[in-house]
Amino acid sequence: NAGVTQTPKFRVLKTGQSMTLLCAQDMNHEYMYWYRQDPGMGLRLIHYSVGEGTTAKGEVPDGYNVSRLKKQNFLLGLESAAPSQTSVYFCASSYGRGRTYGYTFGSGTRLTVV
Amino acid sequence: AQKVTQAQTEISVVEKEDVTLDCVYETRDTTYYLFWYKQPPSGELVFLIRRNSFDEQNEISGRYSWNFQKSTSSFNFTITASQVVDSAVYFCALSEAISSGSARQLTFGSGTQLTVLP
Repeated sequence: NAGVTQTPKFRVLKTGQSMTLLCAQDMNHEYMYWYRQDPGMGLRLIHYSVGEGTTAKGEVPDGYNVSRLKKQNFLLGLESAAPSQTSVYFCASSYGRGRTYGYTFGSGTRLTVV
Repeated sequence: AQKVTQAQTEISVVEKEDVTLDCVYETRDTTYYLFWYKQPPSGELVFLIRRNSFDEQNEISGRYSWNFQKSTSSFNFTITASQVVDSAVYFCALSEAISSGSARQLTFGSGTQLTVLP
């Protein structure tokens, strides 16, 4: 049981390049999330999905797009990377209700835009 | 909008000292969840505890204990007899509903860097 897997783990982009970060979970969770973490800050929500084929904006969505064509995968795209998008990106899925509610996080993707 | 405040940016203690990390939150939800995560230098997020808003019982797990005070909107974390391996950034987070169903947004505090000196 791999949990939440993020690929790649590290990436360096030039300004203006595009890329896609992949998040895959094998736990059959409905809800998935993309967060970014900047130095000295906690994680901030970029986009989220409540199920296959649905996505919604979070707190800091500008410059990103997402897709959830399959329940187990949640993709985060940067169409034209900017230095301000240098960050560590975490994917998560949530599960349960009430006293069993919780999150599973991936190990993160460190992205540098030069 | 929900908010989490961790006023202590950095704390440094000597090994075996007790240390308390503060967390104060704001929310309009009546049902919410509070979390503590540890982020070691390797960067992954390690889940420590979840507390439900409808369950105010404090919890102890080994050297870790948590004090949830709904009246003061605080969820403080104490490490007893700290060890060098406890050195990490600790995040408090609040989970609030963002849509119908069970999708919930985690709002993180800015974290507390704990350094335990030998």
